[in-house]
Amino acid sequence: GNSVTQMEGPVTLSEEAFLTINCTYTATGYPSLFWYVQYPGEGLQLLLKATKADDKGSNKGFEATYRKETTSFHLEKGSVQVSDSAVYFCALSAQDTGNQFYFGTGTSLTVIP
Amino acid sequence: GAVVSQHPSWVICKSGTSVKIECRSLDFQATTMFWYRQFPKQSLMLMATSNEGSKATYEQGVEKDKFLINHASLTLSTLTVTSAHPEDSSFYICSARDWARGMNTEAFFGQGTRLTVV
Repeated sequence: GNSVTQMEGPVTLSEEAFLTINCTYTATGYPSLFWYVQYPGEGLQLLLKATKADDKGSNKGFEATYRKETTSFHLEKGSVQVSDSAVYFCALSAQDTGNQFYFGTGTSLTVIP
Repeated sequence: GAVVSQHPSWVICKSGTSVKIECRSLDFQATTMFWYRQFPKQSLMLMATSNEGSKATYEQGVEKDKFLINHASLTLSTLTVTSAHPEDSSFYICSARDWARGMNTEAFFGQGTRLTVV
């Protein structure tokens, strides 16, 4: 079946530190992969996505590369800001399961000045 | 991107009453919408898939008589929590996909509804 395993949190970093949040997946087909961000009390916003192997999604300084050989989609940012404090969810969607979304458990990030 | 609007953002109700939450796709037609429940500091749990013009598909363990879903139009799905109890207090989020953008399109989420049953 399809599933997403995400790095446990919470993660606390100082401003301008490097961020990596690990995400690996299991899928029976060829999924699309996503990172969503959730700010307190809000819904989820798409951060970036990749729809096929070796694609790199990027947005607002965040990047993630779809690695089929390691079934991974790790989120990275070179220099985090206080405003990046949020919960980050890795997710996949695959046509063989009706394009239903599968979410990781979420990783809480706090960036301190 | 496409916009999904959820209403209300928060609601407090008395135990035993029913609460309706609306989810609207504002600038696209959504034949399918999804309802999630999120417990504090946890991930989203898919409750049901709402299909326009037909019955919703509920995930295992979700009481369909308690969480009534109606998807009467291509832009509106509603979730009614019937006879609410304190254990139903949670954050409920809907999402929809704009299939006109292609099969690999992302899901767009509403802002969520914080339900507190007292």
